[in-house]
Amino acid sequence: TQLLEQSPQFLSIQEGENLTVYCNSSSVFSSLQWYRQEPGEGPVLLVTVVTGGEVKKLKRLTFQFGDARKDSSLHITAAQPGDTGLYLCAGADTGNQFYFGTGTSLTVIP
Amino acid sequence: DTAVSQTPKYLVTQMGNDKSIKCEQNLGHDTMYWYKQDSKKFLKIMFSYNNKELIINETVPNRFSPKSPDKAHLNLHINSLELGDSAVYFCASSQFQGSNSPLHFGNGTRLTVT
Repeated sequence: TQLLEQSPQFLSIQEGENLTVYCNSSSVFSSLQWYRQEPGEGPVLLVTVVTGGEVKKLKRLTFQFGDARKDSSLHITAAQPGDTGLYLCAGADTGNQFYFGTGTSLTVIP
Repeated sequence: DTAVSQTPKYLVTQMGNDKSIKCEQNLGHDTMYWYKQDSKKFLKIMFSYNNKELIINETVPNRFSPKSPDKAHLNLHINSLELGDSAVYFCASSQFQGSNSPLHFGNGTRLTVT
């Protein structure tokens, strides 16, 4: 089982602040996905990154895949209460099996 | 229209009982999965089915058995339930088995074993 460590585990910030969530592993992944999960619901895909060094932007969210494809980061600019949720990274190994990270619970206070 | 639906939403039962969770996807996807999310929110794959064939079977007790009557359904049957089985179980599907194929999750079944 591949291990993806996310940090921080919990994050509580004020509306309008910026934040970064990290997803780190010692394993190389063929791709990496980020999901957001809200209470009582399943995770929903935000983005897939495939190429080492790749940067993708989704409105106020910026995702980066590490050059060595072992790590990723998610940066949120000017956080809003609607960003509150559990953020999960998931790496795909060469067998196309997805391993999920340990999760980051984000709370944005109005 | 719900893409991946699973029932029931909540399941409370006693130790030793046998229970099933049903899952259906209307996305026409080839691959379906069962994941277990523990109390710390860690999501771990249990099973994967591609075109009705089991392709991944993580180290789960054989009390857990997936059943896929057709490509759109993947049910999970659990025998002799134990306290440690309490968790949220998620069904998911993907268009194909590939690293670029996103997972579409159901809303989960919260299983509580007393």
